[in-house]
Amino acid sequence: NAGVMQNPRHLVRRRGQEARLRCSPMKGHSHVYWYRQLPEEGLKFMVYLQKENIIDESGMPKERFSAEFPKEGPSILRIQQVVRGDSAAYFCASSPQGDDYGYTFGSGTRLTVV
Amino acid sequence: GQQLNQSPQSMFIQEGEDVSMNCTSSSIFNTWLWYKQEPGEGPVLLIALYKAGELTSNGRLTAQFGITRKDSFLNISASIPSDVGIYFCAGLFTSGTYKYIFGTGTRLKVLA
Repeated sequence: NAGVMQNPRHLVRRRGQEARLRCSPMKGHSHVYWYRQLPEEGLKFMVYLQKENIIDESGMPKERFSAEFPKEGPSILRIQQVVRGDSAAYFCASSPQGDDYGYTFGSGTRLTVV
Repeated sequence: GQQLNQSPQSMFIQEGEDVSMNCTSSSIFNTWLWYKQEPGEGPVLLIALYKAGELTSNGRLTAQFGITRKDSFLNISASIPSDVGIYFCAGLFTSGTYKYIFGTGTRLKVLA
């Protein structure tokens, strides 16, 4: 069974470019969560999605950040016009039911903005 | 946004020692999880707790769900070098949608 697959593992972008981070949940999981981890810090919730629906985006910055989980294909976290402060590790997690089951995390995408 | 407080923030211990860490919140949670993150990887689930007062073990790891439902504890017995990593607690936040809120992490380093 493949786990949660995130790509790319490392992404370097210049200031002002766009970053697209992909996440394919575990087979059978229809709930996807994105978290951001700044260096030496914990995991901060960003957004919770089901197929074609954003359930909770209370942790998403108001501008430049968007997320989707289309009917077909992976979930995408998109950051437009990146700035240095966006440099972080972005983790995707999935769960089968979206209630109190623990999440399975991917290995993350490390975004560096230069 | 909400975040849980973990202590200690970091610790160096000798191999073979027991380790204790805790996680506290101002809010009540119905589920507590403990994860371990190794360098360059995503967190891996260690233990899940579903009931106040519950004590659950996974090998050398033992975790407890505090009676007040506002805290949880993780103990590691007889630490070994591969216990190195960051340990995160997570509480299930159920106001509105269900999502896990993570603690600030305890960074563990084991000296051989």
